[in-house]
Amino acid sequence: AQSVTQLGSHVSVSEGALVLLRCNYSSSVPPYLFWYVQYPNQGLQLLLKYTSAATLVKGINGFEAEFKKSETSFHLTKPSAHMSDAAEYFCAAWEGSNYKLTFGKGTLLTVNP
Amino acid sequence: NAGVTQTPKFRVLKTGQSMTLLCAQDMNHEYMYWYRQDPGMGLRLIHYSVGEGTTAKGEVPDGYNVSRLKKQNFLLGLESAAPSQTSVYFCASSYAASGRPGELFFGEGSRLTVL
Repeated sequence: AQSVTQLGSHVSVSEGALVLLRCNYSSSVPPYLFWYVQYPNQGLQLLLKYTSAATLVKGINGFEAEFKKSETSFHLTKPSAHMSDAAEYFCAAWEGSNYKLTFGKGTLLTVNP
Repeated sequence: NAGVTQTPKFRVLKTGQSMTLLCAQDMNHEYMYWYRQDPGMGLRLIHYSVGEGTTAKGEVPDGYNVSRLKKQNFLLGLESAAPSQTSVYFCASSYAASGRPGELFFGEGSRLTVL
């Protein structure tokens, strides 16, 4: 079964610093990969997705992620953190064979002034 | 533009009581899902449905039942609530796999406390 691992349950950065959130997947066949964001007391919303068209994927709010098959990774980055980026971020993988999206355990991003 | 609507948003139950969470979507999506979110555990899939009249078990189905009698609605039932079911429950919906697989639209969550 597919599994998604997010390294670091909590990441803290200063405003203006680089944001790097790590995600690794387990499948030998690259699945579709996603990053979702959850702001406090809200549901999740899609940030960006990888569907094999391009290895560098751009999303909303200046975030991007790079798919690296050799490392089975899909790390999320943003060059300069903003206070409004404070949220919990979830990496997820979709396997078409079972119609399900498998989530990592999430990384809480704190942005310090 | 309602999207995915969950009711109720908050509920407190006593052990052994039953309740139903309702999820409604207005996007004509084929697939619907119920997840639970617990601190440090991420989101875990309880049950899902790939079409009206069909349901399937997810990762943590025990103690829950679901029904999808209408395409736009997906109900999650707890027959005999237990404290371990204290959680935040999220409903989500998506297009069929042939469309935009993995792009889920989430409701705002239902916070359930079982005493």
